[in-house]
Amino acid sequence: SYDVTQPLSVSAALGQTARITCGGDNIGIKNVHWYQQKPGQAPVLVIYRESYRPSGIPERFSGSNSGNTATLTISRAQAGDEADYYCHVWDSKTAVFGGGTKLTVL
Amino acid sequence: EVQLVQSGAEVKKPGESLRISCKSSGYSYTSYWISWVRQMPGKGLEWMGNIDPGDSYTTYSPSFQGHVTISLDKSISTAYLQWSSLKASDTAIYYCARSLGILQFDFWGQGSLVNVSS
Repeated sequence: SYDVTQPLSVSAALGQTARITCGGDNIGIKNVHWYQQKPGQAPVLVIYRESYRPSGIPERFSGSNSGNTATLTISRAQAGDEADYYCHVWDSKTAVFGGGTKLTVL
Repeated sequence: EVQLVQSGAEVKKPGESLRISCKSSGYSYTSYWISWVRQMPGKGLEWMGNIDPGDSYTTYSPSFQGHVTISLDKSISTAYLQWSSLKASDTAIYYCARSLGILQFDFWGQGSLVNVSS
C-alpha cells in the first residue's frame, strides 16, 4: 500500500509563510489534493491537483509537487488559517490521506 | 447548490446494528463517487471505501473490508454506511464526500457522530 507522511505540526508567524509537506514515494507523478479542517467542522478542499484553488479559496493558498514531496504553501498566514491540513492521493482506486498537520499561527 | 446532508448523531451499544445515510442534491448523482471517511476522536482522516452510483460498484479499504457495508438508493440519491455489530472502537465521526472518480473530494457532508458505549 502507498503511504504519505506529513509533519505533526508546523508553525508560522502572523503574516509570514507556512509550508506543509506531504512525502511519498515518487509522489510527484500523482495528483495531490489538500484539505483544511477546523475544530468541529468538516474538511474543506483548499488545493486540488497540486496547485488549483477551488472558488472561494484565497490566492494565499498554493501548492506544488515534485519528486518525493508535495507542498502546501500559505502566504501571509492569518490567525484564521490555524487548522489541521491533510494531503490526499489515490493509490490505484484506494484513497490515502496523510496523517494531518496542525498549523499554528504565532 | 451541491449538498451532501448526513443523518444525525447516534448512540448505540456494542453488538447493535446501525445504518447512517448521506443524501446528495444539486448535481448529477450518477456522475460522482461517494466515499466514506472515518475520524476517530482527536485523530486524522481515514478513507473507508466508496461506491459508484452509476453501477453501485464498491471499493473498500483493506482496513475496513468486511467490517462495514456501503450501499445506496439511487432513487433518492442517498448513500449508506452500515454495521451489523458495532464495537466501542467504532466511535467516531463519519463523513461522506463526493469525487469525480479518482480526483479530489470537492464536497463533504457535515459528518455523523456515532457513539458506541455500553
